[in-house]
Amino acid sequence: AIWMTQSPSLLSASTGDRVTISCRMSQGISSYLAWYQQKPGKAPELLIYAASTLQSGVPSRFSGSGSGTDFTLTISCLQSEDFATYYCQQYYSFPFTFGPGTKVDIK
Amino acid sequence: EVQLVESGGGLVQPGGSLRLSCAASGFTVSSNYMSWVRQAPGKGLEWVSVIYSGGSTYYADSVKGRFTISRDNSKNTLYLQMNSLRAEDTAVYYCARDRDTKDPLDAFDIWGQGTMVTVSS
Repeated sequence: AIWMTQSPSLLSASTGDRVTISCRMSQGISSYLAWYQQKPGKAPELLIYAASTLQSGVPSRFSGSGSGTDFTLTISCLQSEDFATYYCQQYYSFPFTFGPGTKVDIK
Repeated sequence: EVQLVESGGGLVQPGGSLRLSCAASGFTVSSNYMSWVRQAPGKGLEWVSVIYSGGSTYYADSVKGRFTISRDNSKNTLYLQMNSLRAEDTAVYYCARDRDTKDPLDAFDIWGQGTMVTVSS
């Protein structure tokens, strides 16, 4: 199975901040990477797929980059509704795997 | 509206069985690649199983031989039959739709609200 790490595991930030979350894969996955946002008690929501393509309806302050083994999710100007946990996911091969998550909370 | 609604979760003893359902609306389950993903309390996400539009199925090693994914086209519903349940199967179970109807290797664009399964004596 393909494993990934995410950093940081916890990110304390303020509204208006630019935040960056990293995801590193145990092997190359081209651009078969997605990012999800999850709020407490809710299902995950797709933000980014194909490493950098914004899902329909997702605000443009979210962006993704990277390919191969190193990927980044950036929130350009953090809003109050963005405080949540973020997961990366590889879908290059089964079993699909998710990163351990990055919790973004209020500083 | 495109949505997924899970049901069937509950409390079950170790070694017991449970069948989860995921009713779809706004799209056809049999035309899509559909997965189950679970999340243990306070933990991250774990992919469990997928059923292809053609009917092929795949499982995580942790559930292989114990869980079975299936669908009923007439009811537009996805199922997960879970047998020989263990404490470590305790989780919220989500059904999810693959974003691309032509490629099983894609992200999940539609998720259900989840159903809680607790395995405990």
